[in-house]
Amino acid sequence: KQEVTQIPAALSVPEGENLVLNCSFTDSAIYNLQWFRQDPGKGLTSLLLIQSSQREQTSGRLNASLDKSSGRSTLYIAASQPGDSATYLCAPGYWGAGSYQLTFGKGTKLSVIP
Amino acid sequence: GAVVSQHPSRVICKSGTSVKIECRSLDFQATTMFWYRQFPKQSLMLMATSNEGSKATYEQGVEKDKFLINHASLTLSTLTVTSAHPEDSSFYICSARSLRDNYEQYFGPGTRLTVT
Repeated sequence: KQEVTQIPAALSVPEGENLVLNCSFTDSAIYNLQWFRQDPGKGLTSLLLIQSSQREQTSGRLNASLDKSSGRSTLYIAASQPGDSATYLCAPGYWGAGSYQLTFGKGTKLSVIP
Repeated sequence: GAVVSQHPSRVICKSGTSVKIECRSLDFQATTMFWYRQFPKQSLMLMATSNEGSKATYEQGVEKDKFLINHASLTLSTLTVTSAHPEDSSFYICSARSLRDNYEQYFGPGTRLTVT
């Protein structure tokens, strides 16, 4: 059974700082990995998707890396802004019991202080 | 990007009644949709995988007779919570898988269910 751990659970940084969110997963036989953001009481917004054959993906100030063999992924946020405050979720995707599914970590709650 | 909608966004119902939640993929076809529930400060837990035209696959511990899932078309899946109980109060989120985007999942905005 896939288990996902995200560290830290919460993070508070001043505006403008660069930061790294960590994700580890126990089963490295993944198909891809997605990073999401969730605002309070809202659904999920997909930020980045990395295929298992890729090492990293970039979108604007976000960069996600994947080390599949060691079961790790990181999300790098450059020049953080107050609008980045949200919970960030990591979810490796894999084929289990004949269907493709995601397993979610508990997330990292980010607060960017103006 | 692909858009997934959910209706209603919030619903309050009395114990013993049933409530239906709709999940729609607005601009793409989704042969597979997923239903999750999320308790406060917890992660999303997959409840069931819904394939168009066939029976849903439920995760261990999820009562299929209580959480009825119907995926009658390529753009619509419904979750019906039957005989609702206060413990069913939760945040329910659906997602739809896009075959055109390397299996990327797109999530709806969620439905807050409160059972009184």
